Amino acid sequence: DTGVSQNPRHKITKRGQNVTFRCDPISEHNRLYWYRQTLGQGPEFLTYFQNEAQLEKSRLLSDRFSAERPKGSFSTLEIQRTEQGDSAMYLCASSLQTTSTDTQYFGPGTRLTVL
Amino acid sequence: KNEVEQSPQNLTAQEGEFITINCSYSVGISALHWLQQHPGGGIVSLFMLSSGKKKHGRLIATINIQEKHSSLHITASHPRDSAVYICAVASGSRLTFGEGTQLTVNP
Repeated sequence: DTGVSQNPRHKITKRGQNVTFRCDPISEHNRLYWYRQTLGQGPEFLTYFQNEAQLEKSRLLSDRFSAERPKGSFSTLEIQRTEQGDSAMYLCASSLQTTSTDTQYFGPGTRLTVL
Repeated sequence: KNEVEQSPQNLTAQEGEFITINCSYSVGISALHWLQQHPGGGIVSLFMLSSGKKKHGRLIATINIQEKHSSLHITASHPRDSAVYICAVASGSRLTFGEGTQLTVNP
């Protein structure tokens, strides 16, 4: 399977704990995106990378959230001191940006539940 | 008011019916995407369009840039089409999503 993969698929944690999610994009894709989706809502943009550079961050990405893409391949999203409001589906997407617009391919998501 | 509005929020149809889902947006865009999301979260990109009309199988997507409106049509609907359909507009590299339309097609 050469699609976007995310791990873990599900994570249950207690409030106050730190969690880290991983996204492996399609191998030749230079852009990687993180989104958050709460129940019954459409996804919301969090941040994106072009290669290893983090080019844009949403105001939704508080200082408890950090994302990295150290070698321009896989990315991690860490949430520190989790809160119940962090419970959501965290989606990763990747794309090969060759023009001003590009098709994003989504991973299956990581569902986070904070108790 | 959301930047991307979809209608209807929920749609129930009988197998074989022609289905239309609408999307209106209020910002300048470089492209519009239609996405399909099945239970469990997986999202599949159906169309990306910046003008005119695209067709893939039983799915047709149209966009009117002047009116800031797009429609997704499904012909000869089937129960396997049941999913959430999401409109997303691209402004630069950022996608802004609608809240989705839950489609249920009954046999």
